[in-house]
Amino acid sequence: KQEVTQIPAALSVPEGENLVLNCSFTDSAIYNLQWFRQDPGKGLTSLLLIQSSQREQTSGRLNASLDKSSGRSTLYIAASQPGDSATYLCAVRPGGSARQLTFGSGTQLTVLP
Amino acid sequence: SQTIHQWPATLVQPVGSPLSLECTVEGTSNPNLYWYRQAAGRGLQLLFYSVGIGQISSEVPQNLSASRPQDRQFILSSKKLLLSDSGFYLCAWSGDRMTDTQYFGPGTRLTVL
Repeated sequence: KQEVTQIPAALSVPEGENLVLNCSFTDSAIYNLQWFRQDPGKGLTSLLLIQSSQREQTSGRLNASLDKSSGRSTLYIAASQPGDSATYLCAVRPGGSARQLTFGSGTQLTVLP
Repeated sequence: SQTIHQWPATLVQPVGSPLSLECTVEGTSNPNLYWYRQAAGRGLQLLFYSVGIGQISSEVPQNLSASRPQDRQFILSSKKLLLSDSGFYLCAWSGDRMTDTQYFGPGTRLTVL
């Protein structure tokens, strides 16, 4: 059974810092990995999706990497801003025809002005 | 562009009462549809997914059920709510058969008293 772990559970940084959020998964036979952002009481916003054949994806100040063999992904946020404060979730989709995503429990990020 | 709606936004129901949550998607056809639950202190759990009208797959045995009466409508129901049904219910859709990137609705906060 796939398990997804996100460390740390919470992170507080001053504005302007670069930071890395970590995601690890136990079964490397994944189809893709997706990073989401969730603001309090809101739905999830898709940030980046990395296919299993890819090593990284970039969108603006965000860069996500994937090392499938070691079961790890990182989300790098450059020049953090208070508006980046949210919970960040990673989710993996298994290989084959299965469609269910397995989510980590998230990292709650606070960027202090 | 595609949009996803959920209602109601919040709901307070007594134990034993019925439930009906609705999700609709606009701007796409034949989407895959998903129902997730996010309980306090726990990650997102996939409850149901559907690849077409009348086609429902259940991931977790429980007192909830789902139906897809129309292509872009997904309904989550219960005949008798339990206290443990409290949580944040999220509907999602995906349309890209290759990546299966999932896009989430705003969610429904359900409190069972």
